Amino acid sequence: GQQLNQSPQSMFIQEGEDVSMNCTSSSIFNTWLWYKQDPGEGPVLLIALYKAGELTSNGRLTAQFGITRKDSFLNISASIPSDVGIYFCAGPGGGFKTIFGAGTRLFVKA
Amino acid sequence: EAQVTQNPRYLITVTGKKLTVTCSQNMNHEYMSWYRQDPGLGLRQIYYSMNVEVTDKGDVPEGYKVSRKEKRNFPLILESPSPNQTSLYFCASKGLAGEGVSYNEQFFGPGTRLTVL
Repeated sequence: GQQLNQSPQSMFIQEGEDVSMNCTSSSIFNTWLWYKQDPGEGPVLLIALYKAGELTSNGRLTAQFGITRKDSFLNISASIPSDVGIYFCAGPGGGFKTIFGAGTRLFVKA
Repeated sequence: EAQVTQNPRYLITVTGKKLTVTCSQNMNHEYMSWYRQDPGLGLRQIYYSMNVEVTDKGDVPEGYKVSRKEKRNFPLILESPSPNQTSLYFCASKGLAGEGVSYNEQFFGPGTRLTVL
Protein backbone atom coordinates (compact mmCIF):
# COMPACT_ATOMS: atom_id res chain seq x y z
CA GLY A 1 0.00 0.00 0.00
CA GLN A 2 0.90 3.66 -0.05
CA GLN A 3 3.58 4.82 2.35
CA LEU A 4 4.85 8.18 3.49
CA ASN A 5 8.46 8.54 4.59
CA GLN A 6 9.27 11.54 6.74
CA SER A 7 12.70 12.81 7.60
CA PRO A 8 14.38 13.53 9.80
CA GLN A 9 12.81 11.50 12.61
CA SER A 10 13.84 14.12 15.16
CA MET A 11 15.63 17.45 15.28
CA PHE A 12 17.30 19.30 18.13
CA ILE A 13 17.75 22.98 17.33
CA GLN A 14 18.51 26.28 18.98
CA GLU A 15 15.85 28.96 19.24
CA GLY A 16 16.05 31.28 16.25
CA GLU A 17 17.30 28.63 13.82
CA ASP A 18 15.45 27.70 10.65
CA VAL A 19 14.10 24.17 10.27
CA SER A 20 13.42 22.04 7.22
CA MET A 21 11.71 18.66 7.04
CA ASN A 22 10.35 16.61 4.19
CA CYS A 23 8.02 13.82 3.24
CA THR A 24 8.14 11.44 0.29
CA SER A 25 5.45 9.18 -1.04
CA SER A 26 5.61 5.84 -2.81
CA SER A 27 2.95 7.09 -5.23
CA ILE A 28 1.64 10.33 -6.69
CA PHE A 29 -0.47 12.52 -4.41
CA ASN A 30 -2.96 15.21 -5.35
CA THR A 31 -3.05 16.67 -1.84
CA TRP A 32 -0.42 17.17 0.83
CA LEU A 33 -1.33 18.10 4.38
CA TRP A 34 0.94 19.14 7.24
CA TYR A 35 -0.23 18.73 10.84
CA LYS A 36 1.39 19.63 14.14
CA GLN A 37 0.84 17.76 17.39
CA ASP A 38 1.61 19.66 20.57
CA PRO A 39 2.62 17.53 23.55
CA GLY A 40 -0.46 15.86 25.08
CA GLU A 41 -2.86 16.97 22.36
CA GLY A 42 -4.31 15.88 19.05
CA PRO A 43 -2.84 16.99 15.70
CA VAL A 44 -3.91 20.32 14.21
CA LEU A 45 -3.77 21.19 10.51
CA LEU A 46 -1.08 23.74 9.63
CA ILE A 47 -1.03 23.87 5.85
CA ALA A 48 -2.82 22.15 2.96
CA LEU A 49 -1.37 21.91 -0.58
CA TYR A 50 -3.37 20.97 -3.66
CA LYS A 51 -1.21 21.64 -6.72
CA ALA A 52 2.24 20.49 -7.87
CA GLY A 53 4.75 23.28 -7.32
CA GLU A 54 2.46 25.14 -4.93
CA LEU A 55 4.17 27.12 -2.19
CA THR A 56 2.00 28.13 0.76
CA SER A 57 2.85 30.06 3.91
CA ASN A 58 1.24 30.27 7.32
CA GLY A 59 3.14 32.78 9.42
CA ARG A 60 6.69 31.47 9.88
CA LEU A 61 5.77 28.18 8.22
CA THR A 62 6.16 27.53 4.52
CA ALA A 63 5.26 24.30 2.74
CA GLN A 64 5.80 23.22 -0.84
CA PHE A 65 4.13 20.58 -3.00
CA GLY A 66 6.92 18.91 -4.97
CA ILE A 67 6.92 19.02 -8.75
CA THR A 68 7.01 15.24 -9.00
CA ARG A 69 3.90 15.10 -6.77
CA LYS A 70 5.70 12.51 -4.67
CA ASP A 71 7.19 14.83 -2.09
CA SER A 72 6.55 17.85 0.08
CA PHE A 73 8.64 20.11 2.31
CA LEU A 74 7.89 22.09 5.43
CA ASN A 75 10.13 24.92 6.57
CA ILE A 76 9.93 26.83 9.82
CA SER A 77 11.83 30.08 10.05
CA ALA A 78 13.23 31.64 13.22
CA SER A 79 12.08 28.82 15.50
CA ILE A 80 10.68 29.58 18.95
CA PRO A 81 10.11 27.29 21.95
CA SER A 82 6.40 26.81 21.16
CA ASP A 83 7.37 25.17 17.86
CA VAL A 84 8.17 22.06 19.89
CA GLY A 85 6.04 19.09 18.90
CA ILE A 86 5.60 16.42 16.28
CA TYR A 87 5.03 17.43 12.66
CA PHE A 88 3.16 15.00 10.42
CA CYS A 89 2.67 14.97 6.71
CA ALA A 90 -0.51 13.33 5.45
CA GLY A 91 -2.38 12.65 2.27
CA PRO A 92 -5.13 10.61 0.65
CA GLY A 93 -4.64 6.90 1.23
CA GLY A 94 -6.91 5.55 -1.46
CA GLY A 95 -10.69 5.69 -1.33
CA PHE A 96 -11.56 7.91 1.61
CA LYS A 97 -8.64 6.86 3.77
CA THR A 98 -5.96 9.19 5.08
CA ILE A 99 -2.35 8.15 5.60
CA PHE A 100 0.18 9.87 7.83
CA GLY A 101 3.93 9.84 7.94
CA ALA A 102 5.74 8.69 11.08
CA GLY A 103 6.37 12.29 12.10
CA THR A 104 9.32 14.58 12.76
CA ARG A 105 9.79 15.36 16.43
CA LEU A 106 11.14 18.88 16.95
CA PHE A 107 12.96 20.01 20.07
CA VAL A 108 13.83 23.70 20.48
CA LYS A 109 16.34 24.87 23.04
CA ALA A 110 15.83 28.38 24.34
CA GLU B 1 -17.05 25.65 21.02
CA ALA B 2 -16.47 23.36 18.05
CA GLN B 3 -14.77 20.24 19.29
CA VAL B 4 -14.23 16.50 19.24
CA THR B 5 -14.45 14.84 22.65
CA GLN B 6 -13.23 11.42 23.67
CA ASN B 7 -13.80 9.41 26.80
CA PRO B 8 -12.07 8.14 28.75
CA ARG B 9 -8.78 10.00 28.38
CA TYR B 10 -6.86 7.26 30.15
CA LEU B 11 -7.71 3.61 30.55
CA ILE B 12 -5.86 0.64 32.01
CA THR B 13 -7.50 -2.71 31.47
CA VAL B 14 -6.70 -6.41 31.28
CA THR B 15 -6.53 -8.76 28.34
CA GLY B 16 -9.93 -9.92 27.14
CA LYS B 17 -12.10 -7.40 28.98
CA LYS B 18 -14.35 -5.66 26.46
CA LEU B 19 -14.14 -1.90 26.36
CA THR B 20 -15.58 1.04 24.45
CA VAL B 21 -13.99 4.41 23.81
CA THR B 22 -16.56 7.06 22.97
CA CYS B 23 -16.14 9.88 20.48
CA SER B 24 -18.49 12.76 19.87
CA GLN B 25 -18.32 15.85 17.64
CA ASN B 26 -20.53 18.95 17.63
CA MET B 27 -19.67 20.26 14.15
CA ASN B 28 -22.26 18.23 12.19
CA HIS B 29 -19.44 16.52 10.30
CA GLU B 30 -20.23 13.62 8.02
CA TYR B 31 -16.81 11.98 8.21
CA MET B 32 -15.41 10.48 11.41
CA SER B 33 -12.36 8.34 11.92
CA TRP B 34 -10.26 6.50 14.49
CA TYR B 35 -6.45 6.42 14.53
CA ARG B 36 -3.86 4.84 16.72
CA GLN B 37 -0.50 6.47 17.36
CA ASP B 38 2.54 4.37 18.15
CA PRO B 39 6.18 5.52 18.47
CA GLY B 40 7.96 5.47 15.14
CA LEU B 41 4.79 4.59 13.24
CA GLY B 42 2.89 7.86 13.25
CA LEU B 43 -0.89 7.78 13.01
CA ARG B 44 -2.52 4.75 11.46
CA GLN B 45 -6.16 4.73 10.50
CA ILE B 46 -8.29 2.03 12.11
CA TYR B 47 -11.80 2.69 10.77
CA TYR B 48 -13.65 5.58 9.23
CA SER B 49 -17.24 6.48 8.57
CA MET B 50 -18.61 8.60 5.74
CA ASN B 51 -22.00 9.06 7.39
CA VAL B 52 -24.57 7.36 9.59
CA GLU B 53 -24.55 3.57 9.12
CA VAL B 54 -21.63 3.82 6.64
CA THR B 55 -18.30 2.54 7.97
CA ASP B 56 -15.18 1.14 6.33
CA LYS B 57 -11.83 -0.31 7.31
CA GLY B 58 -8.69 1.72 7.49
CA ASP B 59 -5.20 0.24 7.42
CA VAL B 60 -5.23 -1.51 10.83
CA PRO B 61 -8.80 -2.65 11.58
CA GLU B 62 -8.03 -6.06 13.13
CA GLY B 63 -9.30 -6.38 16.69
CA TYR B 64 -11.54 -3.32 16.51
CA LYS B 65 -15.19 -2.59 15.80
CA VAL B 66 -17.04 0.65 15.25
CA SER B 67 -20.61 1.79 14.84
CA ARG B 68 -22.22 4.97 13.54
CA LYS B 69 -25.82 5.06 14.65
CA GLU B 70 -25.91 8.84 15.08
CA LYS B 71 -24.06 11.49 13.12
CA ARG B 72 -22.31 12.97 16.14
CA ASN B 73 -21.05 9.73 17.76
CA PHE B 74 -18.51 7.17 16.61
CA PRO B 75 -17.53 4.72 19.37
CA LEU B 76 -14.52 2.41 19.10
CA ILE B 77 -15.07 -1.07 20.52
CA LEU B 78 -12.41 -3.56 21.52
CA GLU B 79 -14.25 -6.85 22.07
CA SER B 80 -11.24 -8.70 23.46
CA PRO B 81 -8.32 -6.32 23.99
CA SER B 82 -4.77 -7.62 23.80
CA PRO B 83 -1.48 -6.06 24.91
CA ASN B 84 -0.57 -5.15 21.30
CA GLN B 85 -3.52 -2.75 21.34
CA THR B 86 -1.81 -0.65 23.99
CA SER B 87 -1.58 2.69 22.23
CA LEU B 88 -2.71 6.31 22.02
CA TYR B 89 -6.02 6.57 20.19
CA PHE B 90 -7.41 9.59 18.39
CA CYS B 91 -10.84 10.27 17.02
CA ALA B 92 -11.20 12.83 14.23
CA SER B 93 -13.96 14.35 12.13
CA LYS B 94 -14.31 16.50 9.03
CA GLY B 95 -16.97 17.91 6.79
CA LEU B 96 -17.33 16.59 3.23
CA ALA B 97 -19.01 19.56 1.56
CA GLY B 98 -17.04 21.81 -0.77
CA GLU B 99 -13.38 21.65 -1.73
CA GLY B 100 -10.06 22.75 -0.35
CA VAL B 101 -9.20 23.00 3.31
CA SER B 102 -12.77 22.61 4.51
CA TYR B 103 -12.92 19.28 2.71
CA ASN B 104 -9.63 17.89 3.90
CA GLU B 105 -9.01 19.30 7.36
CA GLN B 106 -9.65 16.78 10.08
CA PHE B 107 -10.32 17.95 13.64
CA PHE B 108 -8.84 15.69 16.25
CA GLY B 109 -9.93 14.86 19.77
CA PRO B 110 -7.51 15.05 22.72
CA GLY B 111 -6.63 11.34 22.61
CA THR B 112 -7.22 8.27 24.78
CA ARG B 113 -4.23 6.49 26.22
CA LEU B 114 -5.04 2.80 26.52
CA THR B 115 -2.92 0.24 28.35
CA VAL B 116 -3.83 -3.43 28.09
CA LEU B 117 -2.11 -5.65 30.67
